[in-house]
Formats: sequence, structure tokens, C-alpha cells
Amino acid sequence: NAGVTQTPKFQVLKTGQSMTLQCAQDMNHEYMSWYRQDPGMGLRLIHYSVGAGITDQGEVPNGYNVSRSTTEDFPLRLLSAAPSQTSVYFCASSYGQVGMNTEAFFGQGTRLTVV
Amino acid sequence: ILNVEQSPQSLHVQEGDSTNFTCSFPSSNFYALHWYRWETAKSPEALFVMTLNGDEKKKGRISATLNTKEGYSYLYIKGSQPEDSATYLCAFIIDSGGGADGLTFGKGTHLIIQP
Repeated sequence: NAGVTQTPKFQVLKTGQSMTLQCAQDMNHEYMSWYRQDPGMGLRLIHYSVGAGITDQGEVPNGYNVSRSTTEDFPLRLLSAAPSQTSVYFCASSYGQVGMNTEAFFGQGTRLTVV
Repeated sequence: ILNVEQSPQSLHVQEGDSTNFTCSFPSSNFYALHWYRWETAKSPEALFVMTLNGDEKKKGRISATLNTKEGYSYLYIKGSQPEDSATYLCAFIIDSGGGADGLTFGKGTHLIIQP
């Protein structure tokens, strides 16, 4: 049972490049979310999904797109990377469609640097 | 934007001593409060999910209490051990009327246990 798997673990992008951070979970969780973690800040919610085909914006959605075509996968897309998007990104999932009265399981994180 | 305040930001404790720290959150539209333990170079792992006013939860030497009316939760560690060194995150979720939204995290309390 792999849990929540994020790829890649590390990535360096040039300003203006695009990329997709992958997140997959094998626990049949309905709820998935993306957070970014910056020095001196708490984890901040970027986007979340309460089930396949349903996504919504979190606190810091600008510059990021998401889709949820399957229960298992929740990719995060950066269409035109900016240095301000340098951060550590965490994907999380939890059981239950409504959301978070059960614990969240986190991936190992993706450290992204935009130069 | 909701604010979750954690105090203190960092804490040095002698091995064997007990300690506690605080999470403060808005008390309106409360849905759930989570505590996570985050070790360096790892991903956050859930300690407790608390939903009811007056909840008390315990896992080994770690326990937590919840007061939803006044908007705070305490995390206690009894007889601290070096392996307790980590950042402890609390996260709050509200019910905005359309179902629960994503977690809002505090910045964490960084705990260092000194042998």
C-alpha cells in the first residue's frame, strides 16, 4: 500500500516554463488537496477536490491549475512558472467526500525551484 | 482568510520534562481541528482529529484537548523524549455551508528536546 505518491521529488524550472506535479493515492480517498510550504508560513491550500470531476480553489490558487479525472490522481499544473512559485509542494488525501473530519495523509513533497 | 495561531513558535525542553503548546482558531462555523507531527525531511503525520467541544484525545504520552466555544486547543507531551523533537502543526476546518472546506494550517510549534 503506497499511500500518497508525489513525483518528482525535486525540480528546477526556468521562468516561463510549464510543468505538472503528479499526485496519486491508492486508498480510494475522495478528498485530495495541494498545499505549498514556504519559510515562515504555514502550509497554504492551493486547490482541493472533493471527488472526481470536482475541484475548487483554496487560499493561494493563482498560477496553478488542477483537474480530477479519476479518484486516484490529482495533478497540479504550473502553466508559466514564476520565481514566486519556488516552494515545497505537498499533496494530501483523506477519506470522505465532505472533507476533513478524518486525518489527511500527505505525500513526501516536491521541492520546486524556479530560476 | 482564517487565521490559526500557534504558540510558542519554538520550544526547547529538557528530556523527561512535560510540555504543552496552544492552537487558537476562530470559533464560528467550527467543523474540525487536526494536530499533525512533522519531522524534518518527512511529511506531516496525523496525531489527532477533534470535532466536539470538550474532546480529549490521547496517543501514548501525547494528548490534546479542544474548546470550540473559546477557540483553542492544547497539545500536551508528558515525559518528553528526543524522538518527540518535531514541528507540531494544528489545522482548522470550517463548514461554510456547502460542506467542509480545506484545512487552514498554523505555522507550527517547533519542539526541540535536549538530552
